[in-house]
Amino acid sequence: AQSVAQPEDQVNVAEGNPLTVKCTYSVSGNPYLFWYVQYPNRGLQFLLKYITGDNLVKGSYGFEAEFNKSQTSFHLKKPSALVSDSALYFCAVRDMGSNTGKLIFGQGTTLQVKP
Amino acid sequence: DVKVTQSSRYLVKRTGEKVFLECVQDMDHENMFWYRQDPGLGLRLIYFSYDVKMKEKGDIPEGYSVSREKKERFSLILESASTNQTSMYLCASSPIAGALPYEQYFGPGTRLTVT
Repeated sequence: AQSVAQPEDQVNVAEGNPLTVKCTYSVSGNPYLFWYVQYPNRGLQFLLKYITGDNLVKGSYGFEAEFNKSQTSFHLKKPSALVSDSALYFCAVRDMGSNTGKLIFGQGTTLQVKP
Repeated sequence: DVKVTQSSRYLVKRTGEKVFLECVQDMDHENMFWYRQDPGLGLRLIYFSYDVKMKEKGDIPEGYSVSREKKERFSLILESASTNQTSMYLCASSPIAGALPYEQYFGPGTRLTVT
């Protein structure tokens, strides 16, 4: 079965330090992977996606993600965290058994950036 | 910019009431989705629609139905609201996917409380 796992419920980091939010996936074939961010009382905003090619994907707000096929991971990273990055982050993978663009989401990771 | 709007940000209903949640997108997208979001469970797909009057069940369709009479509008219906349907409901849309990895665009969400 296809799935996405975010092994950490919460990540705490000090402002200015690098951050990593982890995501692992399980799909057959080559995956399409996504990261979304949700600020309090808001809908999800798209950050970036991996389709093919370069394993390092750059996205919005200075975020990037590294695709690692051998480890089936797609970790979200940022070199220097801001307090305003504090939010709920979701990793998602395209359901490869469907042509309708369905996404399978992880359970979410809360990022807390302390001043 | 894609805009997905939802009819209410907050809604309080009584057990047994019929509840309608409305979603409208302005980008002529073929696909529309309804999710519910619960802490620790991520986003779970309730129903989706890939064309007018076409719908498919998602992972948790029990207790819900949907209607798509026009391309831009996708309604979620709780036939007889129950307290376990208290949740955040998110609507999303995307272009028809086929083999292409389009991201989904989300509305701001409706926080429904059933008492």
